[in-house]
Amino acid sequence: TQLLEQSPQFLSIQEGENLTVYCNSSSVFSSLQWYRQEPGEGPVLLVTVVTGGEVKKLKRLTFQFGDARKDSSLHITAAQTGDTGLYLCAGDHTGNQFYFGTGTSLTVIP
Amino acid sequence: KAGVTQTPRYLIKTRGQQVTLSCSPISGHRSVSWYQQTPGQGLQFLFEYFSETQRNKGNFPGRFSGRQFSNSRSEMNVSTLELGDSALYLCASSLQGRSGEAFFGQGTRLTVV
Repeated sequence: TQLLEQSPQFLSIQEGENLTVYCNSSSVFSSLQWYRQEPGEGPVLLVTVVTGGEVKKLKRLTFQFGDARKDSSLHITAAQTGDTGLYLCAGDHTGNQFYFGTGTSLTVIP
Repeated sequence: KAGVTQTPRYLIKTRGQQVTLSCSPISGHRSVSWYQQTPGQGLQFLFEYFSETQRNKGNFPGRFSGRQFSNSRSEMNVSTLELGDSALYLCASSLQGRSGEAFFGQGTRLTVV
């Protein structure tokens, strides 16, 4: 059983569409991070959310941390082909290690 | 500043052999964590080193081991390789580890044949 479940697992959309990716857990996290990973590369940190209810925007990407700090979402507006990749959420639950989510593989079709 | 460097990028080994992977963290970062990434299991935590000491360990067999040197560079060793060890091995460095932001290397793609 994964501590962090992401949905959907796979997502294929047309360029210009909007999408939302979810990261859910039954556990409380002190912070959650979102990464994007391209094939053959390591994950790249996009954002860290720390406060329950926090919303952060990074250009067309909007990240939200749930009020109870158990879940997070990533919303992409007007997706572009450059957004294609594996999106991973990760959190520190026990103070000892990062737990990574199951991942959402996004393909944006031109 | 330079990012996290992992060597080699690609490796092919035979079952039963052993392998050593290297990771040079970002200058000033004292925490190095190792992860195994496979299509079926996703990113799985192997262990974390901080100031030359293993601070945390994931749920992997004893064939997986690591160490960290005084300059924070880290090595990971896998002995008696199995086909199932084929994966992308990622190293991440951070200032303090744990809840700190992690910066990943490009990974080492290990194929066991």
